[in-house]
Amino acid sequence: AQKVTQAQTEISVVEKEDVTLDCVYETRDTTYYLFWYKQPPSGELVFLIRRNSFDEQNEISGRYSWNFQKSTSSFNFTITASQVVDSAVYFCALRTVTGGGNKLTFGTGTQLKVEL
Amino acid sequence: GAGVSQSPRYKVAKRGQDVALRCDPISGHVSLFWYQQALGQGPEFLTYFQNEAQLDKSGLPSDRFFAERPEGSVSTLKIQRTQQEDSAVYLCASSTRVAARGRTEAFFGQGTRLTVV
Repeated sequence: AQKVTQAQTEISVVEKEDVTLDCVYETRDTTYYLFWYKQPPSGELVFLIRRNSFDEQNEISGRYSWNFQKSTSSFNFTITASQVVDSAVYFCALRTVTGGGNKLTFGTGTQLKVEL
Repeated sequence: GAGVSQSPRYKVAKRGQDVALRCDPISGHVSLFWYQQALGQGPEFLTYFQNEAQLDKSGLPSDRFFAERPEGSVSTLKIQRTQQEDSAVYLCASSTRVAARGRTEAFFGQGTRLTVV
């Protein structure tokens, strides 16, 4: 069975601080895909990044960066110089190939609050 | 359209009432998914369509839940005899490729918030 754990329920930071959101996953599959989504108050899930299990190269996109470590089954997300607009719930998700790869397994989310 | 569109955005139903939730996926998207998101939780998979075929309905919580996508585009999630535990946000997502490829990202709608009173 697949499982995603986001131990941080809520994080509050002051604008311009860096913040890291943790994600730990469990799967027995050797091929899998990891995702991060952002859910602003409007409700839709906004895709941020996809990473496959064979690519451990870290990625940076503007103020966002992701650290994928298979050895610790973690896929952490860092926002540099946070802004108020970053306030949202962030979800880490896992998709495996087993069973057709139909479903995303989500963590419970981390509520990020960025204050002035 | 430009994104996944869901209607209604909000629905209040009396316990025992039947409801129908609509999803318009991104034009041309082969795969369509329904998820249920309870308050304070992550979304949970309900069902998956590849074109008009419902290939996976393992997440539907009971036989009161039924989904269809008859022409391979618009989908409807129907809940019969609603119960209070059905209160949640129902999210629809679509993606371009067959889901078995695994690596494709899904694009989500804003969801329908269902409240059963």
